[in-house]
Amino acid sequence: EVQLLESGGGLVQPGGSLRLSCAASGFTFSSFAMSWVRQAPGKGLEWVSAITPGGGSTYYADSVRGRFTISRDNSKNTLYLQMNALRAEDTAIYYCAKKYSSGSHAFDIWGQGTMVTVSS
Amino acid sequence: EIVLTQSPGTLSLSPGERATLSCRASQSVSSSYLAWYHQKPGQAPRLLIYAASSRATGIPDRFSGSGSGTDFTLTISRLEPEDFAVYYCQQYGSSPLYTFGQGTKLEIK
Repeated sequence: EVQLLESGGGLVQPGGSLRLSCAASGFTFSSFAMSWVRQAPGKGLEWVSAITPGGGSTYYADSVRGRFTISRDNSKNTLYLQMNALRAEDTAIYYCAKKYSSGSHAFDIWGQGTMVTVSS
Repeated sequence: EIVLTQSPGTLSLSPGERATLSCRASQSVSSSYLAWYHQKPGQAPRLLIYAASSRATGIPDRFSGSGSGTDFTLTISRLEPEDFAVYYCQQYGSSPLYTFGQGTKLEIK
């Protein structure tokens, strides 16, 4: 079964750091670009960051550039998001998502999400 | 930055009726890069349509997508109870790499 499982969320104070993980199974992880997408409570979806299959290129939303770092370990089938200098507005459910195929820029597989709460 | 505006914000319909959801882009979007999702409460989004009109794996044929340029439409031909959810369109661009519309809530009338 194709699956993504996020972990690492929790409560953190403003200015703090957190590292999210996303464990992939059921597909050839190293062949697909991956993204993080977040959803603030009661709000819509916001793309956060993406990484190419080999990890050589990374992309960020302006709202997180310079504070968040996306990475992957293809030997462990795991995607990461290192979040530093966290702000209240980073509070959200964070989903990892798999890019559908080489020709499509849609996300066909999503994890169940992990909640990040930034509050003092 | 390409902004996607979805309308209506809320759509109230009954099972068996036809639903038409709109997604308008602030600039022209390649049809290859326009997708639709729905999201039920407490669940992750699910891909319905990619490349504007192609159904994702396992999506029933009552869902169809159309459009080009700046205007895209998701149509659900006959609503089933499980179709009531929030629907999002999404596009792939340059900066930011991906953007989502604000969503249309499809609720039972």
